[in-house]
Parts: sequence; C-alpha cells; structure tokens
Amino acid sequence: QVLLQESGPGLVKPSQTLSLTCTVSGVSISSGDYYWSWIRQHPEKGLEWIGYIYYSGTTYYNPSLKSRLTISVDTFKSQISLKLSSVTAADTAMYYCARQYSTSYFDYWGQGALVTVSS
Amino acid sequence: QSALTQPASVSGSPGQSITISCTGTSSDVGSYNLVSWYQHHPGKAPKLVLYEGSERPSGVSNRFSGSNSGNTASLTISGLQADDEAYYYCCSYAGSNTPWVFGTGTRVTVL
Repeated sequence: QVLLQESGPGLVKPSQTLSLTCTVSGVSISSGDYYWSWIRQHPEKGLEWIGYIYYSGTTYYNPSLKSRLTISVDTFKSQISLKLSSVTAADTAMYYCARQYSTSYFDYWGQGALVTVSS
Repeated sequence: QSALTQPASVSGSPGQSITISCTGTSSDVGSYNLVSWYQHHPGKAPKLVLYEGSERPSGVSNRFSGSNSGNTASLTISGLQADDEAYYYCCSYAGSNTPWVFGTGTRVTVL
C-alpha cells in the first residue's frame, strides 16, 4: 500500500521559512518512472502545482514560486522536503505531496498539511 | 497560467448520471491529451479517477468516464452513488512554463 504523509509546523510567522516533509512508504522513492510533487490548495480555492523532484535530485519549480522555493529528497529516509522562504499570508494553504507519473497524472497523494502564516 | 474552469456545483439523484466540464485553452486542454481528474473527500487524500482524458486507473469504477472536445474536458459519473459525493478537480498539462494547471473544483452533491 502506497502511503504519503506530510508533516511540519502548522503555524509560520510572516517572512519566515515554511518547511514540510513528506514521508513515503510502500514504494521506492527511487523508482525511475515517477517524480515527487508538492501541490497546495488555498482556503476556498483550487489547487496549485508547486514543483517536483526526481530521486536523482533534479527539480522543476512553478515559475511563480521559484525564487523562494527549495525541494529536496532523502532517498535513505524515503522523504521529500519543501522549503518556502519569505512567506506571507498568501502562502496559507493545505500542502499536499503526491507521486507524479511523467507529464500525465498524480496517482498517490498524502492527506495534506495545513499551514497558516500569521504572527 | 489561469485555472481551468469548472462549475462550482453539480447535483444528481442516486442512479442518475452527471457530467462535470473542465474548460481550458488551446495552451492546455486543447493542446494535450493529458487531462486527469481527482476525487477529493475533505480530510482525505485526493484520489485519481481518470487520466489522459478517459483512462481509468486500476480499481476505479467503470461508472467514471471521460472525454475531450476542443478546449473542454468532461467527467461523467453514471449510476450516481452516495459515496460519489465529493469535490472533483481536473488537471491538465500546460507546457513547459507552468506545466500543470488545475481546475477550480466542483462540489458534487447526491440528493
């Protein structure tokens, strides 16, 4: 059974760095067929693709977030991490990690981690 | 890249069929046969129900079907069941700039 679980602080102060971890179980994070993505959903709004990482460390980021974003992978711990710097209230959202197959689809998702940016 | 447009809500009675539209542009839905659909029960992980327009992942009911026409993709749920009550999101590949764009989401209510 493939499981993804997001974890991290639920509250971040403005201008600080948001950090989340996604722990993957039931499948190898090093499978060459898949990328590992972060996706977020602002309150009462639709979904926004944030970026992905391949097990080799290759990344691809949403241009609108690229200057503040770092996604990394730890294959030994089977974890993907997200760091988003200089956050504002506009970064308040539910953050999901998901397994992505090529350009086609996201086939497994975590339940999400709610992050609120507030002082 | 703007979000794909979906109706905010669609409803139907048990056993009926409903269709959810997903309208994009010639830069996304109209250019690539790479539309996927996700079912989301709040508090749970979203679930892939269709990919590449009309393909069903293993284990997904054949009550879910999809089609594309021009810049609009559609998801049809036939034989509506209580458990189908959820939010549904479409997603399309949109090229190298902002590769994946999602729909605005549709709340499906089973009357």
